[in-house]
Amino acid sequence: TQLLEQSPQFLSIQEGENLTVYCNSSSVFSSLQWYRQEPGEGPVLLVTVVTGGEVKKLKRLTFQFGDARKDSSLHITAAQPGDTGLYLCARLNDYKLSFGAGTTVTVRA
Amino acid sequence: DAGVIQSPRHEVTEMGQEVTLRCKPISGHNSLFWYRQTMMRGLELLIYFNNNVPIDDSGMPEDRFSAKMPNASFSTLKIQPSEPRDSAVYFCASSFGVAGELFFGEGSRLTVL
Repeated sequence: TQLLEQSPQFLSIQEGENLTVYCNSSSVFSSLQWYRQEPGEGPVLLVTVVTGGEVKKLKRLTFQFGDARKDSSLHITAAQPGDTGLYLCARLNDYKLSFGAGTTVTVRA
Repeated sequence: DAGVIQSPRHEVTEMGQEVTLRCKPISGHNSLFWYRQTMMRGLELLIYFNNNVPIDDSGMPEDRFSAKMPNASFSTLKIQPSEPRDSAVYFCASSFGVAGELFFGEGSRLTVL
């Protein structure tokens, strides 16, 4: 079973602080996606990373894909209450998107 | 544009009853997925349709679960008979192609008493 491990499980920070969440696997990803899920809604795609060492930025969010394509991180700078949600990483194998358990992020005002 | 539309948003039923969840994918999308989300197991893929044809139903828990896609704009997930352990949020998602961005509906929260 190619499991995705996400850490930490929970993260609570004050508005304006930075945070990083991680996604790791024992096997190589062909591609990896990050989603954010807000309470009562479905997950929404944030980014797809494909190339080892790739770095993508989306406003205050920075996504990194490890050189060996076995790990990824999501860094949020100057977090805001609107960043609160469940952050999920997912790997794509053929058509099947398999999700990690997620990191629940709470940003306090 | 309307996103993926699911109904009902909430369903409370008693053990043994039949439950039918409905999904309308985004127009033009040819891949449809049903996922189940629980605290214990996270998001699990139940079944995948491509061009209305079930391709992979290996995630369907047992024979009590069935899914259909009679046309490109409608899919159902049925549980008969329902059990308390089926309580979860069920998501439908669609995409164009098998590796395209996945668009999720808002989910159907099922509680089986």
